[in-house]
Amino acid sequence: AQSVTQLGSHVSVSEGALVLLRCNYSSSVPPYLFWYVQYPNQGLQLLLKYTSAATLVKGINGFEAEFKKSETSFHLTKPSAHMSDAAEYFCAVSDAEYGNKLVFGAGTILRVKS
Amino acid sequence: DAGVTQSPTHLIKTRGQQVTLRCSPKSGHDTVSWYQQALGQGPQFIFQYYEEEERQRGNFPDRFSGHQFPNYSSELNVNALLLGDSALYLCASSLAGTRNIQYFGAGTRLSVL
Repeated sequence: AQSVTQLGSHVSVSEGALVLLRCNYSSSVPPYLFWYVQYPNQGLQLLLKYTSAATLVKGINGFEAEFKKSETSFHLTKPSAHMSDAAEYFCAVSDAEYGNKLVFGAGTILRVKS
Repeated sequence: DAGVTQSPTHLIKTRGQQVTLRCSPKSGHDTVSWYQQALGQGPQFIFQYYEEEERQRGNFPDRFSGHQFPNYSSELNVNALLLGDSALYLCASSLAGTRNIQYFGAGTRLSVL
């Protein structure tokens, strides 16, 4: 069975500082990995995806993530935080072999301080 | 190009009642998935519909059922509502064979009193 663990339910950074949101996954087959962002009272917006191509994936709004098979990790980073980045972020894994059900982590709320 | 649309946006029901939520997929998409997001948690997969059939199901009781119509829109039905069914229900659409990229609607907030 697949699973996702997001370390830290809340992360607080200053505006302009590095953003690092951690995600570790478990999958019995090569995974497809995703980061989604959710703003208050909204649905989920896809930030980026890993689908077995380049291990460093660039997404929207300056975010990127690196797939590390040896560490079973897919951490999300952004060099410089902006106030508008404040939201909840979800890491998700999918087992492509059995269809595209997404298994989500519990989420990390990012707070950006001015 | 309209994205995924869900209706209604908010709903209040009492225990034991039945509810129907609706979803229109993004234009060109043929697959609809439903997720339940309880407060403070990540979304949990309920089921997925493709070609008007349930293709995959998560760990949810039979009180949760669905339907997909020929125009690919979908409904989620929940019978005998429990307080624990209070959640944000998210619909996601995708195109079969496109490497699992799912697009989400804004959700329906269901409150069971």
